[in-house]
Amino acid sequence: DTEVTQTPKHLVMGMTNKKSLKCEQHMGHRAMYWYKQKAKKPPELMFVYSYEKLSINESVPSRFSPECPNSSLLNLHLHALQPEDSALYLCASSQDRQGAYGYTFGSGTRLTVV
Amino acid sequence: DAKTTQPNSMESNEEEPVHLPCNHSTISGTDYIHWYRQLPSQGPEYVIHGLTSNVNNRMASLAIAEDRKSSTLILHRATLRDAAVYYCILRLNYGGSQGNLIFGKGTKLSVKP
Repeated sequence: DTEVTQTPKHLVMGMTNKKSLKCEQHMGHRAMYWYKQKAKKPPELMFVYSYEKLSINESVPSRFSPECPNSSLLNLHLHALQPEDSALYLCASSQDRQGAYGYTFGSGTRLTVV
Repeated sequence: DAKTTQPNSMESNEEEPVHLPCNHSTISGTDYIHWYRQLPSQGPEYVIHGLTSNVNNRMASLAIAEDRKSSTLILHRATLRDAAVYYCILRLNYGGSQGNLIFGKGTKLSVKP
């Protein structure tokens, strides 16, 4: 298995809802990442997990809460989002955080906040 | 974060070679040069990476200048499916930002039939 699987593919949520995005990989990768991508912009790094521990939080608002329950799974919990949070949320993984390894990206969850 | 400079857009004809340039004059000795591409409505896709020597794989070739301040991604025969945004990224191999993939604006490649 050489894929990163993200679910759901599309999500519409109200500003008072709580929802979660899920990311899964079975490549034995020990680093996992969340990115946010607005339309016609490059992806922006949000969170970095290394060996199931949060390494980097790129000044992301607390309404986004990441979780890494095990080495194969990464969640992003969403609560009280704003319409400007509507974007494509991408998950990625790599063997570890060394620069010699490439990332594998999922195809993303397209989130719309109404 | 180490910066890269790429043209905003390029055009190519189908079945012709494409050379996508990238300048990275602030590169340090242990930074890896990575290339990714993103097709419409998809996540980024790894293309190739290298450190000092030129690299080839089934998708493309990466030519790295001797001083490592620039590199060129070479698609040997462009197809319509190669139309995408191509990102050149320096991946740090040390420090707090080690391994982070920080995207710049990239080059939008159009391929004409």
